[in-house]
Amino acid sequence: KAGVTQTPRYLIKTRGQQVTLSCSPISGHRSVSWYQQTPGQGLQFLFEYFSETQRNKGNFPGRFSGRQFSNSRSEMNVSTLELGDSALYLCASSLTSGSSEQYFGPGTRLTVT
Amino acid sequence: AQSVTQPDIHITVSEGASLELRCNYSYGATPYLFWYVQSPGQGLQLLLKYFSGDTLVQGIKGFEAEFKRSQSSFNLRKPSVHWSDAAEYFCAVGATYNNNDMRFGAGTRLTVKP
Repeated sequence: KAGVTQTPRYLIKTRGQQVTLSCSPISGHRSVSWYQQTPGQGLQFLFEYFSETQRNKGNFPGRFSGRQFSNSRSEMNVSTLELGDSALYLCASSLTSGSSEQYFGPGTRLTVT
Repeated sequence: AQSVTQPDIHITVSEGASLELRCNYSYGATPYLFWYVQSPGQGLQLLLKYFSGDTLVQGIKGFEAEFKRSQSSFNLRKPSVHWSDAAEYFCAVGATYNNNDMRFGAGTRLTVKP
């Protein structure tokens, strides 16, 4: 089975721009969660989508949003980028919602200049 | 809300020596507990998990962890470390209700000396 894939792997954007990151979960997995990883704050939960519905959201501003499609693929969007948004964005998939084990993709490295 | 503390930011061990990485959690009920490993520039790989039952769980790559409710701990162990184990290790706790909001510790960076 193919693992979790994330595109693009690397991205450079300018402050004020917006960005969309994509995640394809493991086949059969219906839950997709997004995390932000930075040296200062570590790994922080952004949000989880299950069956196209947002199940839970972390403590991030409204500039961070996401969605899930009927094939379970998910996208996250960050609008009005700030320098502090530079991070590794990790996507994780699991069979269901409810703290079942999550499998992570390689991440998208976003640099905001 | 649940939280995790990994007291050791950086640990150095010699190849062949035993390893124990500490993890303490805070959660009101029996948690779901996980250990992940991350190599530089990579995503996280699940080493092992505890949901319920036997408090000693075995994982991949020769790792094991023991859940101790009385100490709110879930320490990761390996009897003999290999150079390829050098990486960052994250303990995580998941809430036992209907979502996947997982909280991670700050991580422990493992260096292996030849």
